[in-house]
Amino acid sequence: IAGITQAPTSQILAAGRRMTLRCTQDMRHNAMYWYRQDLGLGLRLIHYSNTAGTTGKGEVPDGYSVSRANTDDFPLTLASAVPSQTSVYFCASSDSHLDTQYFGPGTRLTVL
Amino acid sequence: AQSVTQLGSHVSVSEGALVLLRCNYSSSVPPYLFWYVQYPNQGLQLLLKYTTGATLVKGINGFEAEFKKSETSFHLTKPSAHMSDAAEYFCAASWTSGSRLTFGEGTQLTVNP
Repeated sequence: IAGITQAPTSQILAAGRRMTLRCTQDMRHNAMYWYRQDLGLGLRLIHYSNTAGTTGKGEVPDGYSVSRANTDDFPLTLASAVPSQTSVYFCASSDSHLDTQYFGPGTRLTVL
Repeated sequence: AQSVTQLGSHVSVSEGALVLLRCNYSSSVPPYLFWYVQYPNQGLQLLLKYTTGATLVKGINGFEAEFKKSETSFHLTKPSAHMSDAAEYFCAASWTSGSRLTFGEGTQLTVNP
């Protein structure tokens, strides 16, 4: 069992480019989440999905979009990347929003 | 607003010494509480969690935490630090139906030989 996988591991991106970060889980969890981690700020929730077909905005959703077409996949898209989106991005999943969240290994994104 | 605060962004202890990492939450409603650990270049792993029942919670790797409602705290402790405990530790809280995990800012633990 792989748990949660994220791709790519790292990426350098020119400002203005479109980028999709991929996240796949094999635990059949209902809920999935995207966080960004920045020094001194901890983890901040970008978007979440309680179940396939539904999504919601977190604390810092601007500039990001998500979709949840099925249980396993939860891609995060930056439509037009800006330098302030340079961060480490973590995907997580859980059975429900009150349960333990399991985290992927992260994607380190640099926007120049 | 509901929030989580970790006191001390950096904590340094000697190997074999007590580890104490502080976490407080801001809310009149007690949340579910979690401690996660992040080793370098890795994702977060759950150390322990408090939902209901016994207020002293034991986790992996010898860590434990005690929920104190009167102090709105959930401090993480370990009696004797090991070099392998060096990592960043995050406290997180989840409140009633419809809310998500709110994380503290993180505490970087250094263990000196």
